[in-house]
Amino acid sequence: AQSVTQLDSHVSVSEGTPVLLRCNYSSSYSPSLFWYVQHPNKGLQLLLKYTSAATLVKGINGFEAEFKKSETSFHLTKPSAHMSDAAEYFCVVGRLAGNTPLVFGKGTRLSVIA
Amino acid sequence: KAGVTQTPRYLIKTRGQQVTLSCSPISGHRSVSWYQQTPGQGLQFLFEYFSETQRNKGNFPGRFSGRQFSNSRSEMNVSTLELGDSALYLCASSLRRGEREQFFGPGTRLTVL
Repeated sequence: AQSVTQLDSHVSVSEGTPVLLRCNYSSSYSPSLFWYVQHPNKGLQLLLKYTSAATLVKGINGFEAEFKKSETSFHLTKPSAHMSDAAEYFCVVGRLAGNTPLVFGKGTRLSVIA
Repeated sequence: KAGVTQTPRYLIKTRGQQVTLSCSPISGHRSVSWYQQTPGQGLQFLFEYFSETQRNKGNFPGRFSGRQFSNSRSEMNVSTLELGDSALYLCASSLRRGEREQFFGPGTRLTVL
């Protein structure tokens, strides 16, 4: 079985300050992990993915995430927030090998204050 | 390359009616998955189609059904609509079954009155 917990439903940061969105996962299998972003009235866009290669994963728009197996975490970070980063972010876990559906977290809404 | 397209983008229906939503995957993608997104439940998996066959199904009642055509386009149908079916329905495509990276369409916003 797989599950994912996003520890914060809402995070608010000032423009230019670091962003940290926290995600813990549970998986009976070797996991693949993703972060997706959803802007208002839009579909989901893939930010980055972990599929058992490097544990530090770099994504688009300056985001990165680190896979920590011992802590079962996959937190998303960005050194400096931009107004355009305001959106809903989803942490997603899948099975690295196999055809079971992806499991989505509840989402974290990121607000960026000017 | 064009992205995933979904039609219509918005729908308003009344209780008891049925609705059909359409999804065209990225060219060459053969797997299509459907999700329901609501404020309370978040993103929930509905079903996955590959090679015109349903491969996985989420925990939804039988009123929710789907199909996939030979060109990989997919439709989902909801019969006997209930107020709780109001949601954003997202379609995602991937190259092949088991491909973990999915590409999402903009969704269809269904409102049931």
